[in-house]
Amino acid sequence: GENVEQHPSTLSVQEGDSAVIKCTYSDSASNYFPWYKQELGKRPQLIIDIRSNVGEKKDQRIAVTLNKTAKHFSLHITETQPEDSAVYFCAASKDNNDMRFGAGTRLTVKP
Amino acid sequence: DAGITQSPRHKVTETGTPVTLRCHQTENHRYMYWYRQDPGHGLRLIHYSYGVKDTDKGEVSDGYSVSRSKTEDFLLTLESATSSQTSVYFCAISRDRVANTEAFFGQGTRLTVV
Repeated sequence: GENVEQHPSTLSVQEGDSAVIKCTYSDSASNYFPWYKQELGKRPQLIIDIRSNVGEKKDQRIAVTLNKTAKHFSLHITETQPEDSAVYFCAASKDNNDMRFGAGTRLTVKP
Repeated sequence: DAGITQSPRHKVTETGTPVTLRCHQTENHRYMYWYRQDPGHGLRLIHYSYGVKDTDKGEVSDGYSVSRSKTEDFLLTLESATSSQTSVYFCAISRDRVANTEAFFGQGTRLTVV
């Protein structure tokens, strides 16, 4: 089955700096790549997703890039704010319900 | 927030006892999922349902069973709980398959098996 690896496991940045989280996947047939944010004690919530027919997608301060050839995708957060502090999960799936998640990245934004 | 309610929110049980977790939705979504969340593993799919009485196994289904007798309810049962099943369990729903539409998660159930 699909295997998703996520790096780094922890990331600390100063407020206003950028943060980048990277994921790799193993199944070249995967075509959907969502990113979820989970604040402490809360439920995971979708923040952005990308499909395999698109190389980049942006929504205000967050963006995701996808390199199908190298089988990796990344989350970019610019102008980070303390409220961006959370655990971020990447995921990959094919056209089915077997969505595999990465292990998560704990992002801390220091004021 | 999507209308998803998990119960109980916290449970402590003894090894070998049966445990049932409930997920209730008010969105009339076709698909429902059970995930477990453990440090270093992210979220792993246990079972999912694509309609009433239609269920299928996920990545880590051993030791778990599910039932869906109504659109709004999806039950997860641990027939004989073990310490390795101590985890946070999340229910999720989606209107279509997760590769096509957003999955909405419940608040989670923290289960401790002692």
